[in-house]
Amino acid sequence: GAVVSQHPSRVICKSGTSVKIECRSLDFQATTMFWYRQFPKQSLMLMATSNEGSKATYEQGVEKDKFLINHASLTLSTLTVTSAHPEDSSFYICSARRGVETQYFGPGTRLLVL
Amino acid sequence: EDQVTQSPEALRLQEGESSSLNCSYTVSGLRGLFWYRQDPGKGPEFLFTLYSAGEEKEKERLKATLTKKESFLHITAPKPEDSATYLCAVQAAYSGGGADGLTFGKGTHLIIQP
Repeated sequence: GAVVSQHPSRVICKSGTSVKIECRSLDFQATTMFWYRQFPKQSLMLMATSNEGSKATYEQGVEKDKFLINHASLTLSTLTVTSAHPEDSSFYICSARRGVETQYFGPGTRLLVL
Repeated sequence: EDQVTQSPEALRLQEGESSSLNCSYTVSGLRGLFWYRQDPGKGPEFLFTLYSAGEEKEKERLKATLTKKESFLHITAPKPEDSATYLCAVQAAYSGGGADGLTFGKGTHLIIQP
């Protein structure tokens, strides 16, 4: 139990385009999902908290107009990187909270913006 | 501001050589401390959640302990397949504003040599 999937696993796009990443909890319902970003040899940095049916809460320094988050159902959250630039290239990882505390993570999406 | 510091940054052990990884934390009221394992290019895999000082949890060759200031991940008689980056994270009792994510340390990169 507690499986989280992400799609796509890897994406390459041109500068200026938008990219959508999906995060799904496969065997449980998650009222809260999270989006993290991880740069090479760095730890995970929280970008935003996504609650089903309400607006996401963004961490300081994360542009909400650039990183659009939608949590349309209890099993699906999406992150759209709008007008992507090379500096947005990173490893994006989502997590879903099961129960009160524990977050289970997806396998991550590697984004490369050329 | 919540902070998590892990040491050492990297650790190389011989197969069967037991050791401990350290996670020191400062948080405004601990709601939970989490240990994850991360393999290269993958999302973190959940290992343990600890809630209060004195608590211990075990899983195969791993044992996690918690005090009011730090947590240890003890690895007994490790095998090469235990090689990974081990991440420690904390969740504060109150994050405020709807943001509710984890604060991660930078991790300990563990290599077990056969």
